[in-house]
Amino acid sequence: AQTVTQSQPEMSVQEAETVTLSCTYDTSENNYYLFWYKQPPSRQMILVIRQEAYKQQNATENRFSVNFQKAAKSFSLKISDSQLGDTAMYFCAFMKFDTGANSKLTFGKGITLSVRP
Amino acid sequence: KAGVTQTPRYLIKTRGQQVTLSCSPISGHRSVSWYQQTPGQGLQFLFEYFSETQRNKGNFPGRFSGRQFSNSRSEMNVSTLELGDSALYLCASRWNNEQFFGPGTRLTVL
Repeated sequence: AQTVTQSQPEMSVQEAETVTLSCTYDTSENNYYLFWYKQPPSRQMILVIRQEAYKQQNATENRFSVNFQKAAKSFSLKISDSQLGDTAMYFCAFMKFDTGANSKLTFGKGITLSVRP
Repeated sequence: KAGVTQTPRYLIKTRGQQVTLSCSPISGHRSVSWYQQTPGQGLQFLFEYFSETQRNKGNFPGRFSGRQFSNSRSEMNVSTLELGDSALYLCASRWNNEQFFGPGTRLTVL
């Protein structure tokens, strides 16, 4: 079974600054996906960024980037130039690679990020 | 394309009742998964359906059940509701290893 750990329950950052959210996971799988999801207050959960475990290059999406350390089983999210709209709960999630359409996501507990004006 | 839709958005039930929640995936998506979100337990996987077949099931009691129709729409049912079933129920449809979430159904059990 997989586990995902987000040890920081809350973080706060000043607008325009950079913040890093931590995530560690445990798995015996070799092929898998890792995700960061964002859930704004009372709004829909959306995908922020995705990393395939077989790719050594860290994923980047505009102001969002990850630091994927496969051996250490670490997957942190860096948000650059933080904006007020980044205020949300962020979830780290794991999905096993499965050609049989196994879509089960295992989530961490989440971290509440507040961006201060 | 329209996103994942869930109905109803809010529900209030009393203990012992049963409830049915509905999820319509993005057009063309055949996989639908359900999750329960609570402050204490976080997000927990309930089950997944693909082409009308349950492919995967989480660790929930048999009171939680689901099904998927030929148009990929899915329903989940909770029988004999308990206070602890109060939660946000999310469904997600999958395309190319990415899952798209609906807005959720907020269930309150009194």
